[in-house]
Amino acid sequence: SQTIHQWPATLVQPVGSPLSLECTVEGTSNPNLYWYRQAAGRGLQLLFYSVGIGQISSEVPQNLSASRPQDRQFILSSKKLLLSDSGFYLCAWTRDGRNSPLHFGNGTRLTVT
Amino acid sequence: DAKTTQPPSMDCAEGRAANLPCNHSTISGNEYVYWYRQIHSQGPQYIIHGLKNNETNEMASLIITEDRKSSTLILPHATLRDTAVYYCIVRPPNDYKLSFGAGTTVTVRA
Repeated sequence: SQTIHQWPATLVQPVGSPLSLECTVEGTSNPNLYWYRQAAGRGLQLLFYSVGIGQISSEVPQNLSASRPQDRQFILSSKKLLLSDSGFYLCAWTRDGRNSPLHFGNGTRLTVT
Repeated sequence: DAKTTQPPSMDCAEGRAANLPCNHSTISGNEYVYWYRQIHSQGPQYIIHGLKNNETNEMASLIITEDRKSSTLILPHATLRDTAVYYCIVRPPNDYKLSFGAGTTVTVRA
């Protein structure tokens, strides 16, 4: 069976510090991978998605970047965090583009102080 | 932009069926309707999806109107653990992007 791992679960970082969140998927190959952010009391906002190694599409211009160094690894990064980067970050995967369900990790709650 | 409209909240009695409506009046002919739920501080959980026909699995049933402009998620016997935010989304074909709206906050009461 397929599983998705996301870490850390919680993170408190000062403004201006770097960020690296990691997500890995097990039990499948060539998944589509996604990073979402959820601000308190709001819906999910798609940040990045990837259909293959090194292929990253950005949905929202911002202070963040994403990379996919391996087939089942997706990394969310920032060089200098802003207060507005606080939120709940979720990694997700699908098998392919043909109407397969999204499967989410348990998320990382980031607080920028 | 979310392409669906859901009520912001609803209450349900434990043991009763919970019927969650969703409007997707601009849905295209080949877009699927997906339902997810999110329990506080966890990642969203996939529930069910469908295109035209009604669907049922171990978690819920999905009823899609004949014109496909709306759907209803049915939780047949709600439990306290079903308290969550429920999201209805539509997915364009061959499009890797999904956007979630605010969803419906469902509270199951004993």
